[in-house]
Amino acid sequence: DTGVSQDPRHKITKRGQNVTFRCDPISEHNRLYWYRQTLGQGPEFLTYFQNEAQLEKSRLLSDRFSAERPKGSFSTLEIQRTEQGDSAMYLCASSSGTPISTDTQYFGPGTRLTVL
Amino acid sequence: AQSVSQHNHHVILSEAASLELGCNYSYGGTVNLFWYVQYPGQHLQLLLKYFSGDPLVKGIKGFEAEFIKSKFSFNLRKPSVQWSDTAEYFCAVNSYNTDKLIFGTGTRLQVFP
Repeated sequence: DTGVSQDPRHKITKRGQNVTFRCDPISEHNRLYWYRQTLGQGPEFLTYFQNEAQLEKSRLLSDRFSAERPKGSFSTLEIQRTEQGDSAMYLCASSSGTPISTDTQYFGPGTRLTVL
Repeated sequence: AQSVSQHNHHVILSEAASLELGCNYSYGGTVNLFWYVQYPGQHLQLLLKYFSGDPLVKGIKGFEAEFIKSKFSFNLRKPSVQWSDTAEYFCAVNSYNTDKLIFGTGTRLQVFP
């Protein structure tokens, strides 16, 4: 399967702990996106990268959240000092969009985070 | 700010019934429109998309959607649903000046045999 992969699929942590998620995009895709989805809601945009450059970050994203894509391939999303409100499904997507054109975003299976 | 409204939160149908799910967006500029589906236990998959051209677009599994610019709508249709169409359906939009997708809250479709 050459789709988007995410690791881990599930993460349970205690409030105040730090967590890190990984996303591996479809290999030829240069754009990578992070979304968050809570129960009964659609996915909510967090941030996205064009290669290794972070192009946009949601104003809703607190300073406890940071994302990287150091070599323009896989990406990590870190949440520091987790809170119960961070419990959600974290989705990664990738596309072959460019600065002058958009393309379909393909989603991974997500990482379900539970903060106790 | 862009937003997407899906007014049908939960739809229950019998097999062979026709389906129409509403989607309205708010944005004054040029948009790209998408319908994604999430089957139970699976990840989001693209059903169909509209970038430009013919406003009636056909997707996988017999689904189609019509973009009506004057109504800011992109409703999803299927003439005859099957039990296997049971899933959650999300409408989404982005625009040429930002690649992020704005999703609606989703519509849960249940199809009974």
